[in-house]
Amino acid sequence: GQQVMQIPQYQHVQEGEDFTTYCNSSTTLSNIQWYKQRPGGHPVFLIQLVKSGEVKKQKRLTFQFGEAKKNSSLHITATQTTDVGTYFCAGQGGSARQLTFGSGTQLTVLP
Amino acid sequence: DTGVSQDPRHKITKRGQNVTFRCDPISEHNRLYWYRQTLGQGPEFLTYFQNEAQLEKSRLLSDRFSAERPKGSFSTLEIQRTEQGDSAMYLCASSLVVDTQYFGPGTRLTVL
Repeated sequence: GQQVMQIPQYQHVQEGEDFTTYCNSSTTLSNIQWYKQRPGGHPVFLIQLVKSGEVKKQKRLTFQFGEAKKNSSLHITATQTTDVGTYFCAGQGGSARQLTFGSGTQLTVLP
Repeated sequence: DTGVSQDPRHKITKRGQNVTFRCDPISEHNRLYWYRQTLGQGPEFLTYFQNEAQLEKSRLLSDRFSAERPKGSFSTLEIQRTEQGDSAMYLCASSLVVDTQYFGPGTRLTVL
């Protein structure tokens, strides 16, 4: 079945430093979605990427979808303490409607 | 609040008991999903409804698990004869055709 791997598992950064998390799928995806989960909270939708090579930006967040539609990345510029949480990528492949989630990257931002 | 709601938010039960969780999706969403999340892991897909039809079930969903969405609105997830390994956060999500899934706050199940 489809597997989605995400690295790193943990990342500690000083406030103001950049952060990147990477996501790789074992199969070609129809789209990839990114979610943020705060401690004790539930996944909150950030963005969906559909097209090969797509790049989308949300303020300090930049999302990329690979040319082969098997990998993706999330980059945060100049992290802030409000960025703390676990970032998950989640892929949809073929006709499947369910999302296959990566294991997440837990971001800690030190003030 | 027009988001996805789940009830109860927390459930503590003894091994062997049955439990039932409820999910109310965003009102115009025709798709409803159940996921399970354990500590340090991403959500794992359990099952999916389009309107009242249950279209997909994960191999994770053993015979002790059953889900319904009788009128295509709210859904229930029942776990029979609970085991300690069932302890997890059970998340519900809903979506429209565009497939962006919006998650509810989850029900945290603890099986003693």
